[in-house]
Parts: sequence; structure tokens; C-alpha cells
Amino acid sequence: SQQGEEDPQALSIQEGENATMNCSYKTSINNLQWYRQNSGRGLVHLILIRSNEREKHSGRLRVTLDTSKKSSSLLITASRAADTASYFCATPSNTGKLIFGQGTTLQVKP
Amino acid sequence: EAQVTQNPRYLITVTGKKLTVTCSQNMNHEYMSWYRQDPGLGLRQIYYSMNVEVTDKGDVPEGYKVSRKEKRNFPLILESPSPNQTSLYFCASSLKGEGYGYTFGSGTRLTVV
Repeated sequence: SQQGEEDPQALSIQEGENATMNCSYKTSINNLQWYRQNSGRGLVHLILIRSNEREKHSGRLRVTLDTSKKSSSLLITASRAADTASYFCATPSNTGKLIFGQGTTLQVKP
Repeated sequence: EAQVTQNPRYLITVTGKKLTVTCSQNMNHEYMSWYRQDPGLGLRQIYYSMNVEVTDKGDVPEGYKVSRKEKRNFPLILESPSPNQTSLYFCASSLKGEGYGYTFGSGTRLTVV
């Protein structure tokens, strides 16, 4: 089952530009996680933000969480061609099941 | 290197021929899970295990079996594969589940003809 919407579904930018992806979810959460998936490969955990946090940074990644709006955003600054991938937000249920958004496909042109 | 190892990476098989996809993690994680990823349907959980000898059904368990006899291994068994089980499969593990990030394997692309 999908947790919610990710916006945009696809994003194409030039190297060096910033990329912003948004995620909405439906239920109350303990934390929200972002993953990257290169085509046909496994998902890579990028960052986890807990429900009592509003913003978190990791390298060129910045994640925000607004629990009142049930939404999160992922900002990738100074993008590189190697950032080309699909990005998913996910929230864990109480059984540990990750409920994924539909994903944003990011293309970074050299 | 901390990782989840899945094998095989690619598999083509025929309907009804039993197969096992292996999954092993070296991080002493308690929680392990299997997902399948299909176009338009996204990632769906098949089975999960909160610890050794504890397994439970996810959203799409029909046609699959799992076992967790050791903490590090969580094989996925297809007793009688059918074409609708053609998919990309991922094993994932987490220290304890809900409050922690997950490490995914590289995936197994299964085709059942």
C-alpha cells in the first residue's frame, strides 16, 4: 500500500542546481525516511528524521518534516550527475513495514 | 563492510519449479523483511521477521514462504512459482525495525516463464 504522494513524479535539472522533492503521508508517524534507488538496483538509506525533529542535514541533503501538514521535503544542493536516481520517502508501520511513496525520478544533466 | 547479500542477482525459471532466494546480513540486525517491486504497484512487503523463529505475513504473502532459523539469514522460498511472481525482489534488514533505517540488498530479478 502506498503511503501518499510524492511530488513531482519526475524532475530534470542541470548539474549544480538544487533539487527539491516533496512527500505527503496519511497516518501519524514515528519517523520518516528517504531512500535513493539507482535504476534496477537496491535502495540506499539516505536519512531518517524523527517526528519530534523539524529539519535534518546530511552532507548535501536537507530534509524537513512538518507533522501538522503530514509532509516532508528532501533538498539536494549542488546536484551532480551521480545524483540521477529515483528518490522515495517511507514511513514505518508498527510492524516495521516500510510504507513507500511513489517516488520522484530525478535526472541531473551534466 | 556492513551489507545485506542476496543471491542470485538474476534468475529465470519455469512455472512450478521450487526455488529459494537467499538473504544474509552481517550487522546483527534483529529485523529482516522481503519486498517485491513492480511497475505501477511500487514496493510491497511479502514477509517480515522481528527476530529468530519469529516471522509474519506482510501485504502479499501468497505463494511465498520464509524461515528465520539464524539471525543472519532470511531465505525466501517459492514452492511453486507462477508467472505473476515475476518481479524484482529485495531483502532488507534493520537493527530493530520501526525506529531505525533499513539496509537493502541489491535485488533479485526473477522471471517465471
